Amino acid sequence: ETGVTQTPRHLVMGMTNKKSLKCEQHLGHNAMYWYKQSAKKPLELMFVYSLEERVENNSVPSRFSPECPNSSHLFLHLHTLQPEDSALYLCASSQDLLVVRNYGYTFGSGTRLTVV
Amino acid sequence: AQKITQTQPGMFVQEKEAVTLDCTYDTSDPSYGLFWYKQPSSGEMIFLIYQGSYDQQNATEGRYSLNFQKARKSANLVISASQLGDSAMYFCAMREGAGNNDMRFGAGTRLTVKP
Repeated sequence: ETGVTQTPRHLVMGMTNKKSLKCEQHLGHNAMYWYKQSAKKPLELMFVYSLEERVENNSVPSRFSPECPNSSHLFLHLHTLQPEDSALYLCASSQDLLVVRNYGYTFGSGTRLTVV
Repeated sequence: AQKITQTQPGMFVQEKEAVTLDCTYDTSDPSYGLFWYKQPSSGEMIFLIYQGSYDQQNATEGRYSLNFQKARKSANLVISASQLGDSAMYFCAMREGAGNNDMRFGAGTRLTVKP
């Protein structure tokens, strides 16, 4: 059991559906992240939140909409996705955003998303 | 531009032997951190080891050690006494400078430990 919990673990959705991915951490971390992991590609950073404020959006299509209502929860709202959006979506948290010297991010187990 | 390069898509090692997973990186920032993560088939990314660019000694964590060669921009992971449970994907990652929010990952190496 990791300190970061993601739900659901698996999600199959049609291109016209609207769904949300949830991430929760109770580690007292101040920064949270969404990453996309596609087959045969390196992990791609999608969004960064620090103290509930979005600090980075890496040119992610608007069909992905993040929400961070508090420092413990992070959502990724999905709508009108494309089949190429099928991937493993990983949430991570870290103690701080600006400190280089740290002990790594804590990742969740991910949500395996399939768009049909 | 690719910042992290892992040239070994797959590696095999006999149980109880040591294995080295390669990682090279590219940065002009003097301050950076290097990380290795393990991803089992269950999906979660597990942090293994960290090396700071100013660290004088190579990092070690149990059976994991990092062979840090700064001039060559290389940060290879060494796993000693391999166990069957070490079979997984291994990712090298780098985070540059203070204020940079992006931890860049390599493409990964799939390690298979044979009994």
